[in-house]
Amino acid sequence: EVQVVESGGGLVQPGGSLRLSCVASGFTFSRFWMSWVRQAPGKGLEWVANIKEDGSERYYVDSVRGRFTISRDNAKNSLYLQMDSLRAEDAAVYYCARDFYFDPWGQGTLVTVS
Amino acid sequence: EIQLTQSPSSLSASVGDRVTITCRASQDITNYLAWFQQRPGKAPKSLIYGASNLQSGVPSKFSGSGSGTDFTLTITSLQPEDVATYYCQQYKGYPLTFGGGTKVEI
Repeated sequence: EVQVVESGGGLVQPGGSLRLSCVASGFTFSRFWMSWVRQAPGKGLEWVANIKEDGSERYYVDSVRGRFTISRDNAKNSLYLQMDSLRAEDAAVYYCARDFYFDPWGQGTLVTVS
Repeated sequence: EIQLTQSPSSLSASVGDRVTITCRASQDITNYLAWFQQRPGKAPKSLIYGASNLQSGVPSKFSGSGSGTDFTLTITSLQPEDVATYYCQQYKGYPLTFGGGTKVEI
């Protein structure tokens, strides 16, 4: 079964840091771009960042560029999101998703900034 | 930034109805458009990519069409399990963007 599972969310103070992880299974992880997408409570979906198969290219939404870093470890089938200088507006459920059209999605991990 | 405008923002229909949701892009995105279903309290699920290609395992009651700037998601024979918010998403250019969502109720 093709799936991704996120972890690492939690409660953090404004200005703090958090590292999210996503473990993939059921597909050849190293052959796909991977993304982080978030959803603030009661709001719509927002793409956050993505990374090329070999990690050589990374793209970010403007609101997180310079504060968040996306990375991957293909040997561990894992995707990461290092989030620094967190703000209240970063509070959301963060999802890991495969490819440019996001399939599959994980169950998400909740980040609370307060 | 490519903006996506979905309409309507919400709709109420009856069981068995045919439902159509539109998504308009602020510039030509050829067919780089996907659709997602998000049931209440659940993670999103991919329905369609490339504007009209059904994801594996998605029932054929869902269909997508369009190219350029105007796209449509159609649900035939609406059922209670189709109650959800539906989002379009473009992957033609960065930042990747979503429409605001269409909430479908029965």
